[in-house]
Amino acid sequence: DAKTTQPNSMESNEEEPVHLPCNHSTISGTDYIHWYRQLPSQGPEYVIHGLTSNVNNRMASLAIAEDRKSSTLILHRATLRDAAVYYCILRYGGSQGNLIFGKGTKLSVKP
Amino acid sequence: GAGVSQTPSNKVTEKGKYVELRCDPISGHTALYWYRQSLGQGPEFLIYFQGTGAADDSGLPNDRFFAVRPEGSVSTLKIQRTERGDSAVYLCASSDGTSGGLSYNEQFFGPGTRLTVL
Repeated sequence: DAKTTQPNSMESNEEEPVHLPCNHSTISGTDYIHWYRQLPSQGPEYVIHGLTSNVNNRMASLAIAEDRKSSTLILHRATLRDAAVYYCILRYGGSQGNLIFGKGTKLSVKP
Repeated sequence: GAGVSQTPSNKVTEKGKYVELRCDPISGHTALYWYRQSLGQGPEFLIYFQGTGAADDSGLPNDRFFAVRPEGSVSTLKIQRTERGDSAVYLCASSDGTSGGLSYNEQFFGPGTRLTVL
């Protein structure tokens, strides 16, 4: 699986939107972009995934660059409960295998 | 419904001892994964089961680590002759395990077992 690059940390204010970037310049055509997050003292949880088109779900939006070399996870209104480490992961389409986690981005949310 | 559960939540042992960590996946999930997470790092893959068999054990660091899933449900991670460097949070995840054109096969994680080797 190709490698991803994320900032180590970001800060946000409560109720404001947050844009978490991820670079994946070596992505292949069959790689899906997945995001997981890990709240303190919990296991990771799935957030969203996409291939080429932007995606929305109840948790977040995923904006994917036209060349697919980067993507951005968007939290529309950050809450204190969104403070977590966010992981951007590339995964071969249909893969059953393991996820490859980097260090992720630690998001802090200020009240 | 019930999520992935792991027991114990905390385990303290002495160097050289044997430990077993248990994972109860979501009912019906055929795929089960073990990861371990050191402080400040992302989870690191250990082993992946599809049903009862280990489909990929390439992440096990050495032969002191072993995992079983005899009936295709509950799994046990076994660590022999524990070392201080084995101290970490051990995470278990399960997924539906079927492809059927699905692109994501979301993994559901348990809360982890924090292992401390003194």
